[in-house]
Amino acid sequence: AQSVTQPDIHITVSEGASLELRCNYSYGATPYLFWYVQSPGQGLQLLLKYFSGDTLVQGIKGFEAEFKRSQSSFNLRKPSVHWSDAAEYFCAVGANNAGNMLTFGGGTRLMVKP
Amino acid sequence: DTEVTQTPKHLVMGMTNKKSLKCEQHMGHRAMYWYKQKAKKPPELMFVYSYEKLSINESVPSRFSPECPNSSLLNLHLHALQPEDSALYLCASSRPGLALETQYFGPGTRLLVL
Repeated sequence: AQSVTQPDIHITVSEGASLELRCNYSYGATPYLFWYVQSPGQGLQLLLKYFSGDTLVQGIKGFEAEFKRSQSSFNLRKPSVHWSDAAEYFCAVGANNAGNMLTFGGGTRLMVKP
Repeated sequence: DTEVTQTPKHLVMGMTNKKSLKCEQHMGHRAMYWYKQKAKKPPELMFVYSYEKLSINESVPSRFSPECPNSSLLNLHLHALQPEDSALYLCASSRPGLALETQYFGPGTRLLVL
């Protein structure tokens, strides 16, 4: 079965600083990988996804993520964080042998200092 | 239009009440999902409907009863809930069949069981 680990429960960065959120997955075949963001009391919004091709994926709101098969990682990055990026970020993996099921990591809460 | 709507936004109910949560999408998606999310935790899958038929039930107690009356609507009927069922209930939809399909989430219904 697939699994996802987000090692950092909380991260605090200063506004304008760069950001990297870590995600490690476990799955035997090529995974389908997603990053979602959730603002307080809201649903989840897709930032980006990877399923094949170029390992550097561009998403919305200036985010990008890089798939590294050798490290089983799919880290999310942003070069300059804005105060409005403060939210909960979830990495998720989908697998064809699990139908439409997504397996989520535990989430990383991002706080942004002025 | 990539919107999934959920009603009500908030719901307070007693343990003997019967209530229903409603989810609607008009994206032509034929897969719909119910997730439960406790505070500071990732979403947990409850049910998946594919082409209006229940395809996945993640061992959810029978006090939760899903219904998919047509391809645009998904209901979750609640009866005799427990206080530990208090959570954010998220609905999502996607094209069915493949794990790479993006799931679009609604804003959720915040449920409090007294």
